[in-house]
Amino acid sequence: EVQLVESGGGLVQPGGSLRLSCAASGFTFTRYWMSWVRQAPGKGLEWVANIKEDGSEKYYVDSVKGRFTISRDNAKNSLFLQISSLRDEDTAVYYCATAKTCRDWGQGTLVTVSS
Amino acid sequence: DIQMTQSPSSLSASVGDRVTITCRASQGINNYLAWFQQKPGKAPKSLIYAASSLQSGVPSKFSGSGSGTDFTLTISSLQPEDFATYYCQQYNSYPYTFGQGTKLEIK
Repeated sequence: EVQLVESGGGLVQPGGSLRLSCAASGFTFTRYWMSWVRQAPGKGLEWVANIKEDGSEKYYVDSVKGRFTISRDNAKNSLFLQISSLRDEDTAVYYCATAKTCRDWGQGTLVTVSS
Repeated sequence: DIQMTQSPSSLSASVGDRVTITCRASQGINNYLAWFQQKPGKAPKSLIYAASSLQSGVPSKFSGSGSGTDFTLTISSLQPEDFATYYCQQYNSYPYTFGQGTKLEIK
């Protein structure tokens, strides 16, 4: 059974940083692109970033370019999202998901940006 | 960026009904289109990928069709557990984009 468990969310002040993690199990992590998707409170889904199986390709939505960095540790079956220079509009639940198609999803971790 | 427009934004239907949700892309996306179901307070669930391929374990009451710019999700014989919000997403070109969602409510 595929399991994705996000962690690292919390309350952070504008301009602050956090590192989100996603622990993956139940599938061969090294065979899949991995994605981050977020959802602001009461709003729709927004694709944030994804990373190739070996980490050699990374893509981002324009609104986070230069502020967010996606990475992975294939030895530890883990996906990360370093989020910096946080803004109010980054407040959201952040989900990790498998593959370009977002086949499987974690339960999400809430990031709240507020002073 | 490719804009994804779903219609309707909300839909009321009864148990047993058959409903169709439409998703239109602002430019051609081949068949790189996925559909998701989301219930309140829960993570989204993948239903369909490649416009018409059912994810493993998803009941056949869900079906997808379309190519190019126009796509549909059809749900037959609605059951209480099907009332949720549905999203389409294109993964043809970056940045990937979602539709705004269609909230399916019980009439």
